[in-house]
Amino acid sequence: QSVLTQPPSVSAAPGQKVTISCSGSSSNIGNNYVSWYQQLPGTAPKLLIYDNNKRPSGIPDRFSGSKSGTSATLGITGLQTGDEADYYCGTWDSSLSAGGVFGGGTKLTVL
Amino acid sequence: EVQLVQSGAEVKKPGESLKISCKGSGYSFTSYWIGWVRQMPGKGLEWMGIIYPGDSDTRYSPSFQGQVTISADKSISTAYLQWSSLKASDTAMYYCVRKVTPYYGSGSYSNYFDYWGQGTLVTVSS
Repeated sequence: QSVLTQPPSVSAAPGQKVTISCSGSSSNIGNNYVSWYQQLPGTAPKLLIYDNNKRPSGIPDRFSGSKSGTSATLGITGLQTGDEADYYCGTWDSSLSAGGVFGGGTKLTVL
Repeated sequence: EVQLVQSGAEVKKPGESLKISCKGSGYSFTSYWIGWVRQMPGKGLEWMGIIYPGDSDTRYSPSFQGQVTISADKSISTAYLQWSSLKASDTAMYYCVRKVTPYYGSGSYSNYFDYWGQGTLVTVSS
């Protein structure tokens, strides 16, 4: 049981838009920045979004992030087959000494 | 170029000990926290714990406290994850990550993992 809640799967057609939600609480998302990670099949996760809505260098602007209260959302527009991956939200939890928490992950299928 | 390079895959028997490594390069190793993440077969990411190589301050997620030991040798820019007695349920991919903690003033700071190692697959089977 993950601390952050994500839908297990989402799907959409190429070229369409999809959103992935991440729900937490006041001790984690509510008072901390959210990051998102993309894990392509057979590879290590990669940072996609940090500080709720910032993109690292090299990440296309088709990927966006937002946060409101104790929830966050990852948006992907202009879907491509290469976007098929698992997506994880992450943040810090102020009630935990080690701090880090992840969502359970969402499998994106581009139909 | 920042890199985290992990040691190779391991196959062990239950009850055996193991230490896997994560070598950082391309940045000041003692200035960033290094964390460990577990991914069991077909499952999601689990946060295990973290170490600050500068002073070896170490913290564990409750689920992993007492089950593993995280350490670092700053002289060779390497962090470690170790088990004293492996179980079949330790079979998983393990990733090391570099944690970034930018401070934005007024007590506001962020935490995220900007670089990931390639992963070390640990298989425990009799």
